[in-house]
Amino acid sequence: AQTVTQSQPEMSVQEAETVTLSCTYDTSENNYYLFWYKQPPSRQMILVIRQEAYKQQNATENRFSVNFQKAAKSFSLKISDSQLGDTAMYFCAFVGEEYGQNFVFGPGTRLSVLP
Amino acid sequence: DADVTQTPRNRITKTGKRIMLECSQTKGHDRMYWYRQDPGLGLRLIYYSFDVKDINKGEISDGYSVSRQAQAKFSLSLESAIPNQTALYFCATSDLKGREETQYFGPGTRLLVL
Repeated sequence: AQTVTQSQPEMSVQEAETVTLSCTYDTSENNYYLFWYKQPPSRQMILVIRQEAYKQQNATENRFSVNFQKAAKSFSLKISDSQLGDTAMYFCAFVGEEYGQNFVFGPGTRLSVLP
Repeated sequence: DADVTQTPRNRITKTGKRIMLECSQTKGHDRMYWYRQDPGLGLRLIYYSFDVKDINKGEISDGYSVSRQAQAKFSLSLESAIPNQTALYFCATSDLKGREETQYFGPGTRLLVL
């Protein structure tokens, strides 16, 4: 069974600085998808970024980028120029490519951006 | 308007009561899911449905049931609520397009069982 681990329950960063959130996963599949979701205090789950395992290039969305290391089964999220609105819970998630697969979520990292 | 809606947004109920949480989507997706979120545990899958005639148990289905009334509607019922079902509940939808799948979430329902 697939598992997703986020080893940092809480983190903080100063506004305008850069922070990296860690995620590791365990799977025997060769192709799959990885996601970072953000949950602000409003509790809405918002997709931040998506990565497909067969793509070598790391995904980037504005200030958000990932460092995907397939061999190490690592998928970290880097937030550049942190803003107060980035304060949220961040969940790493995995889903296999084969039909019938379900998402597996990590336990989350609570990020606080400090003014 | 939101693509995935959940009603109610908040609910307080008593032990032993039957309650229903409803989810509707306008995204046209075939797949729908129910999760619960507890502090420190992330999201855990309760039930999922890949189309109207397909219902499957997830990781933690005991004490819950679902109904897929239409492609756009997926309801979660707690047959006899108990306090450890106090949690935040999310509905999600997805649609496998080519080689990509992303889940889109509703706003969540906060449930308190007294």
